[in-house]
Amino acid sequence: EVRLVESGGGLVQPGGSLRLSCAASGFTFSSYWMHWVRQAPGKGLVWVSRLNTEGSSTNYADSVKGRFTISRDNTKNTLYLQLNSLRAEDTAVYYCARGGPRRWDNMDVWGQGTTVTVSS
Amino acid sequence: QSALTQPRSVSGSPGQSVTISCTGTSSDVGGYNFVSWYQQHPTKAPKVLIYEVTKRPSGVPNRFSGSKSGNTASLTISGLQADDEADYYCSSYANNYVVFGGGTKLTVL
Repeated sequence: EVRLVESGGGLVQPGGSLRLSCAASGFTFSSYWMHWVRQAPGKGLVWVSRLNTEGSSTNYADSVKGRFTISRDNTKNTLYLQLNSLRAEDTAVYYCARGGPRRWDNMDVWGQGTTVTVSS
Repeated sequence: QSALTQPRSVSGSPGQSVTISCTGTSSDVGGYNFVSWYQQHPTKAPKVLIYEVTKRPSGVPNRFSGSKSGNTASLTISGLQADDEADYYCSSYANNYVVFGGGTKLTVL
């Protein structure tokens, strides 16, 4: 079964940091682009970042550029998102999603999400 | 990186058809045939319904169909069922990013 399981969310103070993880199973993780997408409470989906298969090419939404870093460990089948300089507006459920072998492929498998709350 | 424009809500009766529009620019929707549509029920993760404008993943009923004209993509749901009541999001590939629509809430009357 193809599966993505996020972890690492929690309550953090403004200006703080957090690292999210996404454990992949049931497919050849190293062959797929991976994405992070977030959803603030009661709001819509917002794309955050994507990473190529080797971990060498990244893209970020303007709202997180310079603060968030996406990475992966293909030996551990795990995707990461390092969140720094967190703001209240970063409060959201963070989903990891599988892309495809090509950068333009859609997101076809999603995790259940992990919740990040930024509050003092 | 402006969000794609979707109607906030649409509604229809069981058995009817509804169409949800998704308007972008020539830099995203109009520039590439990589528009996807996702369905999200409350508290659930999104599920892909359509990819590459018109393609359906295996397991998605053919009641769901996609199209595109210029900078606007559309999702049509025919033969509405109660379980279709959900939020629907379009997304488009753009050169250096991915962009979602603001979402459309579908109410089945």
